[in-house]
Amino acid sequence: AQSVTQLDSHVSVSEGTPVLLRCNYSSSYSPSLFWYVQHPNKGLQLLLKYTSAATLVKGINGFEAEFKKSETSFHLTKPSAHMSDAAEYFCVVGKQSGGSYIPTFGRGTSLIVHP
Amino acid sequence: NAGVTQTPKFRVLKTGQSMTLLCAQDMNHEYMYWYRQDPGMGLRLIHYSVGEGTTAKGEVPDGYNVSRLKKQNFLLGLESAAPSQTSVYFCAPRDSSYEQYFGPGTRLTVT
Repeated sequence: AQSVTQLDSHVSVSEGTPVLLRCNYSSSYSPSLFWYVQHPNKGLQLLLKYTSAATLVKGINGFEAEFKKSETSFHLTKPSAHMSDAAEYFCVVGKQSGGSYIPTFGRGTSLIVHP
Repeated sequence: NAGVTQTPKFRVLKTGQSMTLLCAQDMNHEYMYWYRQDPGMGLRLIHYSVGEGTTAKGEVPDGYNVSRLKKQNFLLGLESAAPSQTSVYFCAPRDSSYEQYFGPGTRLTVT
């Protein structure tokens, strides 16, 4: 079985300060891992993905994430928050099961950015 | 995402009514997924399809049926709507690198 835990339901930062959104996963296999972002009343957009290449993954809008197998973590970071980063962020783990690829979503972290 | 459309965007149903949600893609991807999104629950997989003519159950399939008669389209049906099915529904084709492309969603209210 696989699961994904986003450790914070809400994260609040000031504009210009660093962002850390935490994600832990459990998987019997080497997983593929993703972060998606959802702005209010919109669909989801891919931020970045890890699929067993480099452990430090760079995404769009200055975000990056590091895959740490020993800690089963895939935390999302950004050096300096912008007001436009305020959104819901989802960590996703996917695995092959019986020939099919099944994604599992975390419950989401709401990022609040204060001026 | 311009390559994925969902119809309708909004709908209000009474308990017991039926409806079909349509997802259409122009990206030629084999895999397609239907999710529901509820506050604090993330997205939960309802059904998915690995290609034309195939469907499979996800995490929360009860009360829903699906069909994939054409590769471009993935339909989600509610035969007898219940208030517990009030949610936002997202469709997502995915490519060979496992990236999913989400539609804009359908907001469904069942009264």
